[in-house]
Amino acid sequence: DTEVTQTPKHLVMGMTNKKSLKCEQHMGHRAMYWYKQKAKKPPELMFVYSYEKLSINESVPSRFSPECPNSSLLNLHLHALQPEDSALYLCASSQGLLRSGVRGAYEQYFGPGTRLTVT
Amino acid sequence: GENVEQHPSTLSVQEGDSAVIKCTYSDSASNYFPWYKQELGKRPQLIIDIRSNVGEKKDQRIAVTLNKTAKHFSLHITETQPEDSAVYFCAAHRPIQGAQKLVFGQGTRLTINP
Repeated sequence: DTEVTQTPKHLVMGMTNKKSLKCEQHMGHRAMYWYKQKAKKPPELMFVYSYEKLSINESVPSRFSPECPNSSLLNLHLHALQPEDSALYLCASSQGLLRSGVRGAYEQYFGPGTRLTVT
Repeated sequence: GENVEQHPSTLSVQEGDSAVIKCTYSDSASNYFPWYKQELGKRPQLIIDIRSNVGEKKDQRIAVTLNKTAKHFSLHITETQPEDSAVYFCAAHRPIQGAQKLVFGQGTRLTINP
């Protein structure tokens, strides 16, 4: 399996709702990422998990809460979002820094994304 | 902080001609430079990459060059085809806090005219 999968594909939620985005990979990758992408902009890093531990939080508001239950799964819990949080949320994975000497170790592969609309 | 600048923001070429997209980065610790292609409504797709110990890499019609001294890297697409039309993002990577961080350029919208 060489893919990163994400569910749901589309999500519409109100500002008082709680929802979760899910990401899964079965490539044995040990680093997983959440990105936010607004229209006509590049992906913007939110969180990085390395070996199931949160390594980077790019000063993301607490209404976004990441979780890495195991090495294959990554969740993003959403609560009390604002309309400006509407975007494409992309998950990505890579082999992990401890394998930096391995060919292809730095390659990040993206999932198809979840298109989130906050009303 | 780290910054990646990408030019041009839009590029239109005739089918069969070549396209070149250029990026500069600011962080000298960056050691890996991938290029992603993103078609409308789809995920960014890794198309080619280069490590800092290599000056040039080629894969069929696409090639990437890196000038570490000048902190420049470029994507070259030859014999362009309509299916090359997409947004292309360059990125610079550095290890940080035990993990990896990609900083993306702003993107180039490439249009191939038949």
